Amino acid sequence: GQNIDQPTEMTATEGAIVQINCTYQTSGFNGLFWYQQHAGEAPTFLSYNVLDGLEEKGRFSSFLSRSKGYSYLLLKELQMKDSASYLCAVREKNAGNMLTFGGGTRLMVKP
Amino acid sequence: DADVTQTPRNRITKTGKRIMLECSQTKGHDRMYWYRQDPGLGLQLIYYSFDVKDINKGEISDGYSVSRQAQAKFSLSLESAIPNQTALYFCATSEGLAGVGETQYFGPGTRLLVL
Repeated sequence: GQNIDQPTEMTATEGAIVQINCTYQTSGFNGLFWYQQHAGEAPTFLSYNVLDGLEEKGRFSSFLSRSKGYSYLLLKELQMKDSASYLCAVREKNAGNMLTFGGGTRLMVKP
Repeated sequence: DADVTQTPRNRITKTGKRIMLECSQTKGHDRMYWYRQDPGLGLQLIYYSFDVKDINKGEISDGYSVSRQAQAKFSLSLESAIPNQTALYFCATSEGLAGVGETQYFGPGTRLLVL
């Protein structure tokens, strides 16, 4: 089984940088995904990490440390439209490569 | 047109009724999934299917059943709905390839209220 922890809520200011952390415990790690979900809408894919290090994609970056069971999503130059929930999901070999989702972090961006 | 569609988008039903939620996809993916999401909680896997002849239980399958009618269609049934099945239900698909190919694509969701 897995245990995935994310902060429940975060608040940041438009134009700033915010880091959303995710810690996990798993016996057969096989990749970590970040999804964005606006209220009442479907989750949409943001990033994927399977090796240690930083993956950059425009204003969004995601970091992984497998030895620490830790990932973060970094959002730069925050915009009001970035107000959403951010879901961390871990794929585990021992669970048929299914994804297990964290509870999500609700980010509120203020002017 | 959306790649993954769900019908209905909203449904109100009464305790004990049987209901079916339907999912269709035009992405050509073999793998399909049903999740439920409760307020403030993450997505919980109900059932998944890797191809038309393959059905697997997820972490919370009790009270639910599924049917994979074709590669493109995967339906979820609640045989006798109960109030604690009130939730937002998502269908998702994936290619079944390694790495980022396992990215799941979600439908718009079905909001279900059981009275």
